[in-house]
Amino acid sequence: DQQVKQNSPSLSVQEGRISILNCDYTNSMFDYFLWYKKYPAEGPTFLISISSIKDKNEDGRFTVFLNKSAKHLSLHIVPSQPGDSAVYFCAASPNTGNQFYFGTGTSLTVIP
Amino acid sequence: DTGVSQNPRHKITKRGQNVTFRCDPISEHNRLYWYRQTLGQGPEFLTYFQNEAQLEKSRLLSDRFSAERPKGSFSTLEIQRTEQGDSAMYLCASSARGSNQPQHFGDGTRLSIL
Repeated sequence: DQQVKQNSPSLSVQEGRISILNCDYTNSMFDYFLWYKKYPAEGPTFLISISSIKDKNEDGRFTVFLNKSAKHLSLHIVPSQPGDSAVYFCAASPNTGNQFYFGTGTSLTVIP
Repeated sequence: DTGVSQNPRHKITKRGQNVTFRCDPISEHNRLYWYRQTLGQGPEFLTYFQNEAQLEKSRLLSDRFSAERPKGSFSTLEIQRTEQGDSAMYLCASSARGSNQPQHFGDGTRLSIL
């Protein structure tokens, strides 16, 4: 049972434009959400996180939005750069546990 | 901060053999996690340590799998009597104490069963 879903396996965006990656979850106990970026042959790299008490968190070109009522979060990358091309995973953790649940990833390609 | 280190990076073995992987977490992190990742999927949780205590285990962790973290520093994951279905990337992550701490991953050990 996939508790965290990324329904878009891939996304292509022109350099300089906005990239929007989406993630949905089903477990209402999740209260901490993260985005990871993964290059081939490397482990996932932490990008940005948000706790359920917030609806937005910004770090440079990266912004994560959380809509708790819709059980939906998104990652915005502005402006997109070719080096952003990677697989992006969203992850969520419940307030009662320590394991993170990951989505299946979205492969982002930024076209120069 | 030298990051999370995993060894070996690649392991090829015959079905039925035992394998052991090692993970060295970020030195000040007291929490350590093992995940498994197969093609097209996100990382799947296997087990979690806080210091030397193994506090959570996934039902994915069959009795052929065992993990240890003696002295609360490095950890090992052993798979006995390997099967074809064990072929995957095995990822280790660590995090600092406290709530809402991100996990930082190593580059993984890719296991291939012949």
